[in-house]
Amino acid sequence: QVQLVQSGAEVKKPGASVKVSCRASGYSFTGNYMHWVRRAPGQGLEWMGRINPNSGGTSFAQKFQGRVTMTRDTSISTAYMELSRLTSDDTGVYYCAREGDYDWEIDYWGQGTLVSVSS
Amino acid sequence: SSELTQDPAVSVALGQTVRITCQGDSLRTYYASWYQQKPGQAPLLVNYGKNNRPSGIPDRFSGSISGNTASLTITGAQAEDEADYYCNSRDSSGNHLWVFGGGTELTVL
Repeated sequence: QVQLVQSGAEVKKPGASVKVSCRASGYSFTGNYMHWVRRAPGQGLEWMGRINPNSGGTSFAQKFQGRVTMTRDTSISTAYMELSRLTSDDTGVYYCAREGDYDWEIDYWGQGTLVSVSS
Repeated sequence: SSELTQDPAVSVALGQTVRITCQGDSLRTYYASWYQQKPGQAPLLVNYGKNNRPSGIPDRFSGSISGNTASLTITGAQAEDEADYYCNSRDSSGNHLWVFGGGTELTVL
């Protein structure tokens, strides 16, 4: 069965960076795009970007351009999302999520990683 | 366009039918997907494409599209359906971007 397992909660100071990992299993890692989505407290889901695990190609929401990096290590079926220059507005739960095979749906989600930014 | 608009909150009586809508120009080109999120849980895909349900999703969840408006209909709402619901689609700008609606909080009375 498809599983996406994310790294644990992080606490960061403003201005720092955070790197979240997402280990995939139960399918061919390079066969499906991986998305990153966050939910800030009191806010809705926000799409951050996606990576093609096969080529490494990425696309990002304009809001995160210049601050987000998405990479992958195909040898261990793991995707990474790094967000730099953190502010308190970046506090929230970050999810990795697999793009499905049919109609651009996002079909499997990781459990989420809480990132707290506080001085 | 890169926006999907949802009503912030909707309520439904137990056992009745409710429609949650999502409006946006991108829906004229791309299908909407629908996600249910309960407190403390990851989102769950409940409908996608031309009214498709993942395995395990009850058939009371159905999707439809008319022009630039996608709808998720819950026929015979149950107490466990109380959650936040989000629509999502590709952005129609051609830049390989995705976008989420602002979410609809569903209360089952």
